[in-house]
Order: sequence, then C-alpha cells, then structure tokens
Amino acid sequence: ETGVTQSPTHLIKTRGQQVTLRCSSQSGHNTVSWYQQALGQGPQFIFQYYREEENGRGNFPPRFSGLQFPNYSSELNVNALELDDSALYLCASSFSAYNEQFFGPGTRLTVL
Amino acid sequence: TQLLEQSPQFLSIQEGENLTVYCNSSSVFSSLQWYRQEPGEGPVLLVTVVTGGEVKKLKRLTFQFGDARKDSSLHITAAQPGDTGLYLCAGGSTGGFKTIFGAGTRLFVKA
Repeated sequence: ETGVTQSPTHLIKTRGQQVTLRCSSQSGHNTVSWYQQALGQGPQFIFQYYREEENGRGNFPPRFSGLQFPNYSSELNVNALELDDSALYLCASSFSAYNEQFFGPGTRLTVL
Repeated sequence: TQLLEQSPQFLSIQEGENLTVYCNSSSVFSSLQWYRQEPGEGPVLLVTVVTGGEVKKLKRLTFQFGDARKDSSLHITAAQPGDTGLYLCAGGSTGGFKTIFGAGTRLFVKA
C-alpha cells in the first residue's frame, strides 16, 4: 500500500509567480486536505476536497485554489506569490472527512 | 475562533527524564489528536482522545483529555533520544471538517 506522496519536494519561486503543488492520496482514500506550515508553527488548514468537490476552507485568500481529480489525487495552486507564502505545504488524505488523516512529507516552498 | 495553545514551546532534557506537555483551549473539542512530526516529514498520528477524562497509554507515552474536553496533556516517561521531535495537538472545528493545530512543542532529548 502506497502512502501519501507529494511533489516537488522543494521549490523556489519569486514574488508574483504562480505555483502548482501535487499530492497523490493513499489508496482507497477519497478526501484530501491541504495545510500550510510556516516555520515554527503548526499546520494551518487551507481547504479540503471530498470526491472532487471543495468541502471546507480555512482563512486563506482566493489566490489559493485547488483541484481534486477522479483518481482522488489533488493539486494546490497559488497565484501572485508573496514572501509570506514561504512555508511547508502538507497534504493529508483520509477515507472520509472525519476519518484519520495520513500526511505526506510536504513540499517546501521558498518565495524570494 | 477556536485556538489550541501548547506549552512549553521548546523543551530540552536529558535521556531518562520525565516530561509533560500541555494543550489548552477556551473551546470545547469533540476530540483531540496528538501528532509527532520529524524534520522533513509530515505529522504522524499518535493518539486520538474522545471522552472527557480519558487516559490513553502508548508504551512510555500517556495522554489525558480534560474532563471539560478543553485541554489535554502528553506525559513521556524516561525520555529517549528517539522521542526527539515536534509534538502537535489538533482538534476538529465545531460543526466542520477543518482541523485546528496548536503551534507545537519542540522536544530535544540529549543522550
């Protein structure tokens, strides 16, 4: 059984650029949640996708958007990057919205 | 707004010592989870506590959920260098799917 995988591992962008991060959920899981973890902080909930529909959203601006595909993999897109977007972006998958979440290793995004 | 506050923020101890870390909120949570995160990895779930007053043990780790379901503690007995990591508490938001995390306690156990 393959766990949650994320790509790329590291990414460096400049202010104003756009970025796409990818997540493959664990086999059998239909729910994906995305989190932003700034240095020295706990993860902050960005949004959740359940069966290709956005199921809930945290306090993040609309330039953070996402997609979930029929195979339940997911993308996080961030437009107009700002310096404060520098963080570890974590993806977590679960069997449903209320079940245990399994986290991927994250993508480290640096915005210069 | 539901918030989880963890203390201490940082703890450095010698191997063999005992320690307790705390997770507090002014809000009631239906359940709380404890995770451990190591550098370069995502958080890994250690335990979920659901019932007020509940105590769960996982080898040398003891987790307690407060009677009012607003706080939790994690006690480690005879800490080992392998216990080093970031310990996060988390809870589900009221009426929704959002998971709220505390800022974590960074534990360093010296051999």
